[in-house]
Amino acid sequence: QVQLVESGGGVVQPGRSLRLSCAASGFTFSFYTMHWVRHSPDKGLEWVAVISHDGSHIYYADSLKGRFTISRDNSKNMLYLQMNSLRVEDTAVYYCARDPVDGVPDYFDTWGQGTLVTVSS
Amino acid sequence: EIVLTQSPGTLSLSPGERATLSCRATEGVSSRSLAWYQQQPGQAPRLLFYGAYSRATGVPDRFSGSASGTDFTLTISRLEPEDFAVYYCQHHGGGSPPITFGRGTRLEIK
Repeated sequence: QVQLVESGGGVVQPGRSLRLSCAASGFTFSFYTMHWVRHSPDKGLEWVAVISHDGSHIYYADSLKGRFTISRDNSKNMLYLQMNSLRVEDTAVYYCARDPVDGVPDYFDTWGQGTLVTVSS
Repeated sequence: EIVLTQSPGTLSLSPGERATLSCRATEGVSSRSLAWYQQQPGQAPRLLFYGAYSRATGVPDRFSGSASGTDFTLTISRLEPEDFAVYYCQHHGGGSPPITFGRGTRLEIK
């Protein structure tokens, strides 16, 4: 079945880096636009970044530009999020999510179970 | 930037009652660009509706979505125990940022 499995979360000090991964299975990964979305109790759901099916189009939330980098490896069915200069306010559960519609960023029909990132000294 | 305002913040109802959740956009948005999600504690969000009206696979027909101008509504006709959760609306459609979420409505058991 269609499945997304995130990994790479953990506890990290402010200013440090972390790389999240998302393993996709059960569908043709290279056909789909993919997103990262995060959730925290105080902010709710917050969209982070999107990458087109072939990696040619990438967009970020304005507040995260320059610190986070989304990428993918279609040969491995993997999605990544490199997070640098982490801040306390980046603490959240990070989800990868599939976008079922080709073209502009749309909605999310499949989500992973999430990976928790805690930024704390 | 489009801002989505969800109301009420918390809705307290009993099983069997009807729930009406609102999502209002700050400017005109296409009804094709509005989605709804349900999130249970500790779980990933689940897609309920896309295009304001289109029910996602597996969503019971007691759930319905509607739209009127900048106002979007999610209705649950008769609440079941598993319906008590947080509900989010989401806009998509280009621009910057291309995707925004409302702050959510918590539906709790009265």
